[in-house]
Amino acid sequence: EAGVVQSPRYKIIEKKQPVAFWCNPISGHNTLYWYRQNLGQGPELLIRYENEEAVDDSQLPKDRFSAERLKGVDSTLKIQPAELGDSAVYLCASSLDRFQGAYEQYFGPGTRLTVT
Amino acid sequence: DQQVKQNSPSLSVQEGRISILNCDYTNSMFDYFLWYKKYPAEGPTFLISISSIKDKNEDGRFTVFLNKSAKHLSLHIVPSQPGDSAVYFCAASYSGTYKYIFGTGTRLKVLA
Repeated sequence: EAGVVQSPRYKIIEKKQPVAFWCNPISGHNTLYWYRQNLGQGPELLIRYENEEAVDDSQLPKDRFSAERLKGVDSTLKIQPAELGDSAVYLCASSLDRFQGAYEQYFGPGTRLTVT
Repeated sequence: DQQVKQNSPSLSVQEGRISILNCDYTNSMFDYFLWYKKYPAEGPTFLISISSIKDKNEDGRFTVFLNKSAKHLSLHIVPSQPGDSAVYFCAASYSGTYKYIFGTGTRLKVLA
């Protein structure tokens, strides 16, 4: 079974430029998460989807970040415009939905973003 | 406000010995705890979890202990192997939220 797929793996952009990250979760996983991990820190949740619905986006900086999960499968996270402080690893994770009582998340390899 | 703390940034252990990784939390509402292992350039991989109704959960060489009164959990790896060298994160959540708060990680190095 394929794991969570993310692309690109690495991205270097200049500040003020836009950037987008793509995630394909594990087949059958209805819940999808986007995390940001800064150097030396643990992952921090940005947004959680259950199917197409963003059920928790309280940590998403909405002035520059946006996300979508059309058709409840793939998801895209966008930053526009990027700032130097956005340099981090962006992780996507998926899990079975809460009605199945599943707690474990499965992470993708992440996208390492460097803003210069 | 760090709700989940891993106060040891690194730990070195000899192969075959026990590795003990610690995690403290401040929010008494947390009722589910997980440990993840992360290798360089990979995403975290789920290792083991424990519900607050238990004080111990075991899976092969990995055992997690939960002390609710102390708001402390620990991961024991016995025996430690060089392939266990990685960064270990603990995470906590509380019922119904599916919101996971991660610690800052402990880098484990198992010496051959």
